[in-house]
Order: sequence, then structure tokens, then C-alpha cells
Amino acid sequence: DGGITQSPKYLFRKEGQNVTLSCEQNLNHDAMYWYRQDPGQGLRLIYYSQIVNDFQKGDIAEGYSVSREKKESFPLTVTSAQKNPTAFYLCASSIDLGQGGPTTEAFFGQGTRLTVV
Amino acid sequence: AQTVTQSQPEMSVQEAETVTLSCTYDTSESDYYLFWYKQPPSRQMILVIRQEAYKQQNATENRFSVNFQKAAKSFSLKISDSQLGDAAMYFCAYRTTNAGGTSYGKLTFGQGTILTVHP
Repeated sequence: DGGITQSPKYLFRKEGQNVTLSCEQNLNHDAMYWYRQDPGQGLRLIYYSQIVNDFQKGDIAEGYSVSREKKESFPLTVTSAQKNPTAFYLCASSIDLGQGGPTTEAFFGQGTRLTVV
Repeated sequence: AQTVTQSQPEMSVQEAETVTLSCTYDTSESDYYLFWYKQPPSRQMILVIRQEAYKQQNATENRFSVNFQKAAKSFSLKISDSQLGDAAMYFCAYRTTNAGGTSYGKLTFGQGTILTVHP
């Protein structure tokens, strides 16, 4: 079955550590996104990528880094520079808009809950 | 930059009644996509409905319909015959289609509206 897989589901980080959240999709989507969701809040865009080897900062990129070496994968690293990383992180993917078609919406993974201990 | 605003942090409705969730957005683009997503307690994001800005006809999906007012930059969601399973957080989202622009493909969400359905 096609879909988006985020791992791990729960992640604990010690202060000062970098951690990497995995996001893999087998939907053959060009576009991928990372969002942060705080309790009772909306989704804030961290980074997004429309094509391999290219990505753009979202609205809250500070303290985060990404790579897009493969179409299927878009890992997110939460660095020690992110002062308040405890949150729920969602990864999404979508077709490239240039391909047109009805499926322009984003498909989401199950999320990763990151907690600083 | 595009922004999406949901001015109703919480809404409630009686089962079988109708409720409307509001969404406004700010953009200088003429073509874009708008979406409503539902996030139940499981936190899995589920697409409810989509609207292409170049289409004047309002989108409908069973009990869900939108009122798309392009000039007013408004995109409200109407849920008819509300069911207990509709209880969730609802997000409005905007996707830019500005090909070649620095924000091409950017997908921006509003703050969300928590919908409670009373039996």
C-alpha cells in the first residue's frame, strides 16, 4: 500500500542533542513538507521541498535542518539550537503542481511525538 | 506571504444540525488551491474537501460543502447533518501555485477550529 511513514512514533531527546526524524513516502510524490504542531495549535511549516536536492525554509525553520537526497525521503534534524523542541511533528507529501490533476492535496504521516527530557 | 486565519478557536453543534466554520486568507495570487482538513483525536490528518481558485463553483463532498468567495478571500466549510464522528479539529489550508516563485508549492495552514458535536 502506498503511503507516508514517519518514525519513530515517540522520540525522547536530552537537552543539547541533535535528533533526526524520518519521513519516507512511496507515493512517487515530488513535494514533501515538515510541520510542527503544539498542543491545541495549528500546523506551522518548518521546511518544504518541491524537488530532490532542493528545499525551502518555512515559517519556523530556525533550529531545524533537512536534506532531500532521494525523492522518497525527507528527514528532519532537530538541532540543539532549537530551544523548545517538544512538539508533535507531521510530515506530508504531494504531487508537484506542474503535474496537475485532482490530487493536489497533501497526504500525511502518522506523526512523531518529540519530548525533551 | 500567504496567511490563513481561522477566527473561531472552538465551535459546537448539536447532532443532526448544521455548522459553518470560517476561514479567510491573504494572497496576491490569482490561482491557488484551498483545502479543509480534519484532525480527529488520533491526530491523523484527513482531507475533507478541496477547491481550485479558478473554479467558481463551490466544492461539495456529501455532507460537506464550502462557500468560496474569491474577492473576499473567504473559504468557509459547512457541515450538514452533523454526526458525532465529525468531532475533531478542522484546519483550513492554502497552497500556492506561483510557478517559479520562491514560495512555489508552499502549503500553509490556519490555526484550527475545534468542533464539538453534542448528542
